Amino acid sequence: DAKTTQPNSMESNEEEPVHLPCNHSTISGTDYIHWYRQLPSQGPEYVIHGLTSNVNNRMASLAIAEDRKSSTLILHRATLRDAAVYYCILFSGTYKYIFGTGTRLKVLA
Amino acid sequence: AAGVIQSPRHLIKEKRETATLKCYPIPRHDTVYWYQQGPGQDPQFLISFYEKMQSDKGSIPDRFSAQQFSDYHSELNMSSLELGDSALYFCASRREPGQGQGEQYFGPGTRLTVT
Repeated sequence: DAKTTQPNSMESNEEEPVHLPCNHSTISGTDYIHWYRQLPSQGPEYVIHGLTSNVNNRMASLAIAEDRKSSTLILHRATLRDAAVYYCILFSGTYKYIFGTGTRLKVLA
Repeated sequence: AAGVIQSPRHLIKEKRETATLKCYPIPRHDTVYWYQQGPGQDPQFLISFYEKMQSDKGSIPDRFSAQQFSDYHSELNMSSLELGDSALYFCASRREPGQGQGEQYFGPGTRLTVT
C-alpha cells in the first residue's frame, strides 16, 4: 500500500485559514486521496476526497498537485471545533484504510 | 441521518475472558470494517466484510474472529483477552459504489478495558 507523510503537528489561529500538507510520492494512478479527521475519543470522520482535480465541500477544500505526489487540505476558517488529528489516506478500493500518523491540529483562540 | 451503531460503548473484561463487540452499519451499506486503536496510536485495520463475505484481513490476532450477518450487522469476537487488547475498537461502514470513491462512516467505538 502506498504511504503518506504528514507533519506531526500544526497550529493555527482561530478564524484563519489552515493548510495541511500531505506527501504521497508513491501514489498510483488508481489511488484516491481521502482525508479524515478524528476528534478526541471519537471515531474518524470523513472530510473530503479526490482523484486528480481540486475538490470543495462544505467542510474543506482539497488541492491536489498536478503530479499527484502531494495534496493539501484547506480549512478556510479554523474554529476551535476543528482541533483534531487529520489523516491523509490513499485508497485504491482494496477495502481497507491504512492510517498514517496524521497531523495533530491545534487551534488557538 | 442514521449513523453506525456500536455496542457496547464500554466494556471491562478480565484477562483470559471473551468479549463480543457488535456493529450495526448505516442502512443499505454492504461493507463493514473493523479497526483497533490503542492508547496514543493510530487506527489499525483488523478485518472487513463485503456482502457477508470476508473481503480483507489485516493485523487481526488469531484469537479474534468476526462475521457479518444476513442483516449486515457484524460482530467481533475476542477470546483469551490480554492486557494489550485494551483499546478503542471502531466499526465503519460503506456502500460500494465503485473503487476508491465510497467514504467510510465510522461508529463511536467500543472502549475495551482488560484488567
